[in-house]
Amino acid sequence: DAKTTQPNSMESNEEEPVHLPCNHSTISGTDYIHWYRQLPSQGPEYVIHGLTSNVNNRMASLAIAEDRKSSTLILHRATLRDAAVYYCILREYNTNAGKSTFGDGTTLTVKP
Amino acid sequence: DARVTQTPRHKVTEMGQEVTMRCQPILGHNTVFWYRQTMMQGLELLAYFRNRAPLDDSGMPKDRFSAEMPDATLATLKIQPSEPRDSAVYFCASGGEFNEKLFFGSGTQLSVL
Repeated sequence: DAKTTQPNSMESNEEEPVHLPCNHSTISGTDYIHWYRQLPSQGPEYVIHGLTSNVNNRMASLAIAEDRKSSTLILHRATLRDAAVYYCILREYNTNAGKSTFGDGTTLTVKP
Repeated sequence: DARVTQTPRHKVTEMGQEVTMRCQPILGHNTVFWYRQTMMQGLELLAYFRNRAPLDDSGMPKDRFSAEMPDATLATLKIQPSEPRDSAVYFCASGGEFNEKLFFGSGTQLSVL
């Protein structure tokens, strides 16, 4: 199974940008990179995903390294509501038809 | 908005009892995942289905856990007999193809006394 590695925790100040890194050195060519976040007492919710090119949506941006062995989730202006656990996962295609295994995630603390 | 529905939201039971958790995936989604979350282990993948067929249930204790999809609108996770170490939050997620996002339910909080 493809694995991802993330820092256990990060802190940010409110209204400042946040860059959350993820390493996935064993990624295969057809694995999609997904990011989810989990607020307290809730199920994970989708943030963004991509394959090779950088992606932007209303929530965040995803920067993917050229060799695809790492990626960075960018929150452009952190708010208190962005405090959550952020998970970077790989959705495997070839042999595992979309199997999605979560790692430990990064706990983001946003300070006012 | 379409959402994944899980029932019950909370379940308290005694050791040895059977527990059944249900999940209604989003209509049209062809993959369904069951995860278990505890403080110690984080989010563990228990089993997943594609087009109702089980693809991988290697994360489940086989002797007491079973997962099925009797039809496209229902996925079930059963524990028989339940044990205190099964206490956790169980999440169901559904999605389309591998390049599409997953939608998670609100989870079933299980407490086995």
